[in-house]
Amino acid sequence: DIQMTQSPSSLSASVGDRVTITCRASHNIGKYLNWYQQKPGKAPKLLIYTASSLQSGVPSRFSGRGSGTDFTLTINSLQPEDFATYYCQQSYSTPLFSFGPGTNVDIK
Amino acid sequence: QVQLQESGPGLVRPSQTLSLTCTVSSGSLTSGAHYWSWIRQLPGKGLEWIGRIYYSGTTYYNPSLQSRLTMSVDPSKNQFSLKLSSVTAADTAVYYCARTFYPKPAAGAFDYWGQGTLVTVSS
Repeated sequence: DIQMTQSPSSLSASVGDRVTITCRASHNIGKYLNWYQQKPGKAPKLLIYTASSLQSGVPSRFSGRGSGTDFTLTINSLQPEDFATYYCQQSYSTPLFSFGPGTNVDIK
Repeated sequence: QVQLQESGPGLVRPSQTLSLTCTVSSGSLTSGAHYWSWIRQLPGKGLEWIGRIYYSGTTYYNPSLQSRLTMSVDPSKNQFSLKLSSVTAADTAVYYCARTFYPKPAAGAFDYWGQGTLVTVSS
């Protein structure tokens, strides 16, 4: 099985900050990595697919990079609506998918 | 835009079967371009992919749940369903249905989700 880890598990930031979240896979997954945002009581929302492609309707301040085992999600100029939990998800072992444990971004 | 809605009992007794249905609207389950998945989130925890089904009925289950899991599809109602047998308190979770799209082969991502339904396993 492919295991996903994320760091940090939580972070505090201010509006306007640049935030970077890291996701690491236990095996080489190429670019088969997606990112989601989840707010309390809501379903996750797809932000980035195949490591760096922005999902339709997602603001351009969100960006993704990486390949192989190491990936990052960057939020430029953090907005109030960006405070949420972020998950990575690998699809390399499709159809068996797995998610990272999440990174909570809260207000400093 | 595509909408998904889960329905089913919010309380299930231990050892019984958890049954949920997902209704797809503003989009056809039989378009053939997507798979349809179930995902759950344990209280205060992360996300676990449960399994997926194609409109033809082809399924793939998470091996960790496979022995207790059955998924089915009803194209005429634009619905797909989940049955999880022999439940315990460890199956208490928010259950989501989601559309699985493939921007390229193997690159599965979940682009539309239901709102989620909390299922509690308790006597």
